[in-house]
Amino acid sequence: DAGVIQSPRHEVTEMGQEVTLRCKPISGHDYLFWYRQTMMRGLELLIYFNNNVPIDDSGMPEDRFSAKMPNASFSTLKIQPSEPRDSAVYFCASSSLTGGGGYTFGSGTRLTVV
Amino acid sequence: AQSVAQPEDQVNVAEGNPLTVKCTYSVSGNPYLFWYVQYPNRGLQFLLKYITGDNLVKGSYGFEAEFNKSQTSFHLKKPSALVSDSALYFCAVRAVTGGFKTIFGAGTRLFVKA
Repeated sequence: DAGVIQSPRHEVTEMGQEVTLRCKPISGHDYLFWYRQTMMRGLELLIYFNNNVPIDDSGMPEDRFSAKMPNASFSTLKIQPSEPRDSAVYFCASSSLTGGGGYTFGSGTRLTVV
Repeated sequence: AQSVAQPEDQVNVAEGNPLTVKCTYSVSGNPYLFWYVQYPNRGLQFLLKYITGDNLVKGSYGFEAEFNKSQTSFHLKKPSALVSDSALYFCAVRAVTGGFKTIFGAGTRLFVKA
């Protein structure tokens, strides 16, 4: 398996633009997580899905953020409109309950909003 | 509520010396405990986990961790540090019951000096 695949690796956009981050989880994993990492706030859970259904979105900062998982092999995190304070590294991770449920993380998307 | 504390922002050790990275946790009920490592510009990588059973858990790259229920600690250890162990280390906890949400600590940066 190629692991969790995220795209793009880097994104630079202007304030006010829409940004879409993409994630392909490991086949067979039924949980998918979106995290945001910044120096100030560390690693924050934004939202997670189980079997494509959002379970907990309490970490989504505000209505400008939305996430979808239309099928078991694809998820998106969208920011519209983007703001400079959204600049961070966004990680996707997947997992399953089998074996205790450790996470496999993607390489992340580094988002810069100017 | 679940929480994880990594009391040291940074740990410095000389190559060949033993290393310890500290972690304490708070969770309702029994915990699942994890350690992850993050190298520059990479996602987090799973190192080891405690689910149940033996309190001493062995993981990747020669790392081990000891679960201490009375002290609610899960310190990461390695008998002999390598320069290549220099990275950011995250402790994480999840309650055995009540969802699949894993809480990560703030991270501890390990510097191993040659």
